[in-house]
Amino acid sequence: QVQLLESGGGLVKPGGSLRLSCAATGFSFSDYYMNWIRQVPGKGLEWVSYISGGSTSIYYADSVKGRFTVSRDNAKNSLYLHMNSLRAEDTAVYYCARKYNFWSGLDSWGQGILVTVSS
Amino acid sequence: QSVLTQPPSVSGAPGQRVTISCTGSSSNIGAGHHVHWYQQFPGTAPKILIDGYNGRPSGVPERFSGSKSGTSASLAITGLQAEDEAVYYCQSYDSSLSGSWVFGGGTKLTVL
Repeated sequence: QVQLLESGGGLVKPGGSLRLSCAATGFSFSDYYMNWIRQVPGKGLEWVSYISGGSTSIYYADSVKGRFTVSRDNAKNSLYLHMNSLRAEDTAVYYCARKYNFWSGLDSWGQGILVTVSS
Repeated sequence: QSVLTQPPSVSGAPGQRVTISCTGSSSNIGAGHHVHWYQQFPGTAPKILIDGYNGRPSGVPERFSGSKSGTSASLAITGLQAEDEAVYYCQSYDSSLSGSWVFGGGTKLTVL
């Protein structure tokens, strides 16, 4: 069945970097648009980034633009989020999620991975 | 401050019908962009309830339905059950920003 599994989270100091990974199984990864969404514990959802199946279309939320870079490796069925210049306000649970096309909803989500930015 | 506005909480007794509103603007819901609804239980990832583009995913009870009018959308839950107690989020695309998807702030549903 469809499975998305995030990894790479943890504690990092302000100004530091971290790379999140999302391993996808159970579906044709390259056919799907992938997204990163984050959630501060106890708060709401915030969309972070989107990448099309062939990596030709990429978007970022203004809050992370210039600091985060999304990428994917279809041969490895993996999605990545490179996070630089991390701030305390980036502390959140990060989810990867897929969508079938630009307009559809996020139909499968990973379990999430916690990123904590603190000195 | 979320781009899409939801009430922080709603409640209803078992068997009742409740609705959760999601108010946007002319750059998102009012522009005709699809509205999606998600359900989230504590400590778990959100799950899609209503896909505004594809409809209700298989496995989601018919008790859940979505509608849209003007710059607002609503999620209706009929025959409320105790297991429906969760947080519900709406989501849409906003064309006023440089390509951005936006969420509502979430609504906590309490089953009395």
